[in-house]
Order: sequence, then structure tokens, then C-alpha cells
Amino acid sequence: ETGVTQTPRHLVMGMTNKKSLKCEQHLGHNAMYWYKQSAKKPLELMFVYSLEERVENNSVPSRFSPECPNSSHLFLHLHTLQPEDSALYLCASSLQRAGVDTIYFGEGSWLTVV
Amino acid sequence: GQNIDQPTEMTATEGAIVQINCTYQTSGFNGLFWYQQHAGEAPTFLSYNVLDGLEEKGRFSSFLSRSKGYSYLLLKELQMKDSASYLCAVPDSNYQLIWGAGTKLIIKP
Repeated sequence: ETGVTQTPRHLVMGMTNKKSLKCEQHLGHNAMYWYKQSAKKPLELMFVYSLEERVENNSVPSRFSPECPNSSHLFLHLHTLQPEDSALYLCASSLQRAGVDTIYFGEGSWLTVV
Repeated sequence: GQNIDQPTEMTATEGAIVQINCTYQTSGFNGLFWYQQHAGEAPTFLSYNVLDGLEEKGRFSSFLSRSKGYSYLLLKELQMKDSASYLCAVPDSNYQLIWGAGTKLIIKP
């Protein structure tokens, strides 16, 4: 079993749909992250949770809503998305805050908004 | 502000050596990371440099010069499976990782 698992791996949704991405880490880490990866662009940090508290929110539109019920699980709730939100969404975790510790990524959820 | 530059794409031949450069500008310095990402897969950790010099790890080595704001990843004895994107990242003053756009490495037989 991989350290960070994400579901679903692929998701196609309409602009009026509501869906959620799920992430689970089995590494005993204290920090979890959501990143957005678009083609030929740097990874964009969306949200950071440390010990289940949100510590970063990088000006992400409110149509993305994170939830961290415990240190092992992280969700990204999606509603009324736009086609430009189509991207690879990567979950990651680290023992402490990234930049201090190595971060470990899940395999990502490919999101297509139609 | 913070900025990271790395070439968009490189091509090399199986069995050869390739050097992928990364230049960065950051207000503080807390190390530099290299990650490998195969198409459709998660980025995976390759190396972390915080002191100047070369660190070797098998076929892969990573070099850092803090005074020049420069790092490179050296891949030796290239194999087809090394075809991937290579991402450079540095933490900013808030320990938030700033990422380069990645270098896509294409290995030809």
C-alpha cells in the first residue's frame, strides 16, 4: 500500500455538480497539502493543514473547500467549478511543515470539468 | 520575490550523462529539493541539498551553489525509465515550497 492514496484517480464533472476528492496518508505525518498541477506550470499550493488546522490558504476560489477531519485524511470538496479548473490535483503529506521535511505525494486525481 | 527557472525540455541518449540546471531567487534559503515525476504519476523525492557541493546517490547526483543561486541534477548511465519530468523546489521564508515548472527529460535509444 502506498503512503499517500487518493481517490478517485479520474473525475469528470459538470459545472453544476458537487464532488469530493479524498486523500489518506499512512505515514503518521502531521501536515497535509492540496496542490494543483496544470500542464507546463509549476505546482500551485492550494491548502496546508498542520495538525488538522488550516495554516495556509493561497487565495483559492471558494468553489474549492478543504476538510481535514483528522491527521490522516484530507478532502477537497468541489462545487460549481469552471473548465479552467481542469487539472491534476495532488495530495501530499510531510512529518512537519514542507520545506523543513520532505513531502510525499499521492498519485493525484485527474479532474476534467465539462 | 521568489523565482525558480529550469529548462522546459531536454533530450539525451540512453547510456549518456545529462545535467539539468535550476536557478533560484529566494529571500531566505532553507535547502533545495529535486523531485522526479513520471507522466501520470506522483512526484517522488530525489534529493535535498542544504550545503554547497555535490551529493551523490547512485546514478543521480545533485549539486548546490548557494552563492550563485544554482543547482543541478546530474543523471549518469541514462536508462529509458529516466524519461520523466524533474522538478526543482525551494522553501520560501515561510517554509512554503516554491516550485519550478519542471524539466521534461526525453531519453532516446
